[in-house]
Amino acid sequence: EPEVTQTPSHQVTQMGQEVILRCVPISNHLYFYWYRQILGQKVEFLVSFYNNEISEKSEIFDDQFSVERPDGSNFTLKIRSTKLEDSAMYFCASSEDRRLIQYFGAGTRLSVL
Amino acid sequence: KQEVTQIPAALSVPEGENLVLNCSFTDSAIYNLQWFRQDPGKGLTSLLLIQSSQREQTSGRLNASLDKSSGRSTLYIAASQPGDSATYLCAVRPGNFNKFYFGSGTKLNVKP
Repeated sequence: EPEVTQTPSHQVTQMGQEVILRCVPISNHLYFYWYRQILGQKVEFLVSFYNNEISEKSEIFDDQFSVERPDGSNFTLKIRSTKLEDSAMYFCASSEDRRLIQYFGAGTRLSVL
Repeated sequence: KQEVTQIPAALSVPEGENLVLNCSFTDSAIYNLQWFRQDPGKGLTSLLLIQSSQREQTSGRLNASLDKSSGRSTLYIAASQPGDSATYLCAVRPGNFNKFYFGSGTKLNVKP
């Protein structure tokens, strides 16, 4: 069964460093998303992406964050200068259509020290 | 802003029991609602998606219902098994937005 793949599974970084989280969505999907889950808290929406542009973003997704689809298969989330409070599990998701099921990857655990 | 609440926060049942998990949301103008399962330290596995025009969806031992007007959804699990132990999350997609609002989940423990 097709799945959303995220790498790495765990990323450790120093505060102030840039990180790039990578995702390979399901191949025929057109809509891509990033969510995050701080330990013990709800899953929160960050951004949705369609047709090579951001279609929606939350108030969390400030200038420190950016997304890109550098080629036909990858979808990345960049955090420019990480803060301690960016430590969380980051989930990538994709869907064939905005009305249909969103499929989630296994997540990348980001630890900012 | 849409608020999603799940009750109870935790539930422990003996194997074989039928059970119901609850999800409520504050704004009934939703597009659809999705139920997920999350195992410890793992990603989210999609279980069922209900469109706003639907009343229920079934997959195997799972049945999800939606009452949009009262802002409620339930996930019914029949004949529970220890392998069903996980956290179950409900997520609501508002009317014209391309994102989900998640509840905090119900942690289910099915005892052998």
